[in-house]
Amino acid sequence: DAGITQSPRHKVTETGTPVTLRCHQTENHRYMYWYRQDPGHGLRLIHYSYGVKDTDKGEVSDGYSVSRSKTEDFLLTLESATSSQTSVYFCAISDRGGANTGELFFGEGSRLTVL
Amino acid sequence: SQQGEEDPQALSIQEGENATMNCSYKTSINNLQWYRQNSGRGLVHLILIRSNEREKHSGRLRVTLDTSKKSSSLLITASRAADTASYFCATDGIQGAQKLVFGQGTRLTINP
Repeated sequence: DAGITQSPRHKVTETGTPVTLRCHQTENHRYMYWYRQDPGHGLRLIHYSYGVKDTDKGEVSDGYSVSRSKTEDFLLTLESATSSQTSVYFCAISDRGGANTGELFFGEGSRLTVL
Repeated sequence: SQQGEEDPQALSIQEGENATMNCSYKTSINNLQWYRQNSGRGLVHLILIRSNEREKHSGRLRVTLDTSKKSSSLLITASRAADTASYFCATDGIQGAQKLVFGQGTRLTINP
């Protein structure tokens, strides 16, 4: 299994509080992604990174920010959590991107509940 | 909006039967991938097929791609109870997008 660790795995928080999810990889892969998974929507891309300090928005980026200060860590921050951000969040990594996008390796997910 | 859409949304068959899932997408692609997700777990990559390929096999899996129809199918032969999972197709874009877009998935149940 690819070395991807998400933390925390479960979190319950209240509306308006900040939340940070961490994705840590030991594969030295260049590309890292944050997806959210909701019933009826499948997986939707929030943000992705194509290198240290290089990030870009995905399809549902509003209300989220990310940071990647080193290759192995990709942080997803909800500055002020809302109930609509209750979801399961998945981190994924890949060693290829662009026109040669390769397979993604996924973490086990972080279940976030915003009350 | 979703790039890939799987059909059917749910499929229930008897162990030993073949399972076929379909995926349709909207824009031109470089490649299409299929993933499996067991309940409560992360997604696992199954197979990647490039836009210049028409068919690909991996064990009991067979994937076809028809770029003229913008569709793909995943066939699982001789299904087993352990194949019970959700299956997702994912597509990239030839615009150089560095990301995959996933469909909503097909929930497959194999009955013993």
